[in-house]
Amino acid sequence: DAGITQSPRHKVTETGTPVTLRCHQTENHRYMYWYRQDPGHGLRLIHYSYGVKDTDKGEVSDGYSVSRSKTEDFLLTLESATSSQTSVYFCAIGDREETQYFGPGTRLLVL
Amino acid sequence: KQEVTQIPAALSVPEGENLVLNCSFTDSAIYNLQWFRQDPGKGLTSLLLIQSSQREQTSGRLNASLDKSSGRSTLYIAASQPGDSATYLCAVRPKGGGSNYKLTFGKGTLLTVNP
Repeated sequence: DAGITQSPRHKVTETGTPVTLRCHQTENHRYMYWYRQDPGHGLRLIHYSYGVKDTDKGEVSDGYSVSRSKTEDFLLTLESATSSQTSVYFCAIGDREETQYFGPGTRLLVL
Repeated sequence: KQEVTQIPAALSVPEGENLVLNCSFTDSAIYNLQWFRQDPGKGLTSLLLIQSSQREQTSGRLNASLDKSSGRSTLYIAASQPGDSATYLCAVRPKGGGSNYKLTFGKGTLLTVNP
């Protein structure tokens, strides 16, 4: 394993509530990514980080924000969860030209 | 915009059969292409990475080829086993520029190997 964990692993929440997902790495990789995986859409990039406090938007960033105050932690926040954000969220880490290593995923259900 | 397509979406084969999974991409300006495996309820595991200058990569019973000019890659699995049952995804990394670490994924091929 590439030393990447996600928490929580499962979460059920209600529409309109804020939700924060955490990705933690022990590998000191510079790049960290948040993806969501949905049937029929595959994996889509939400946000990514290329260093502490350096983040940028991916393909499906609306409704999501991220923060990275330490190399090892990358947080994904849903400011006001909606049912369309029910998904499986994956964090990945890597360095610029290498493969990406994926975490185990977080299953989020928004009721 | 890069688009990655995987055909077939699902494949069921008897144990021991050799099989090929296909991946096509619309923009040939890629840095590399990767094949991943995903088991149910799990994250992705990298299987093979082919640089744009390479034609193929091998790891055990797996062989991945890349034809950049035609926008195609194949993953060949020899002597399939029930333990190979999983979803296989390919992903391309674009060439150059500030965003060349953004992968574009196909939707995957669900492989079932029957004992």
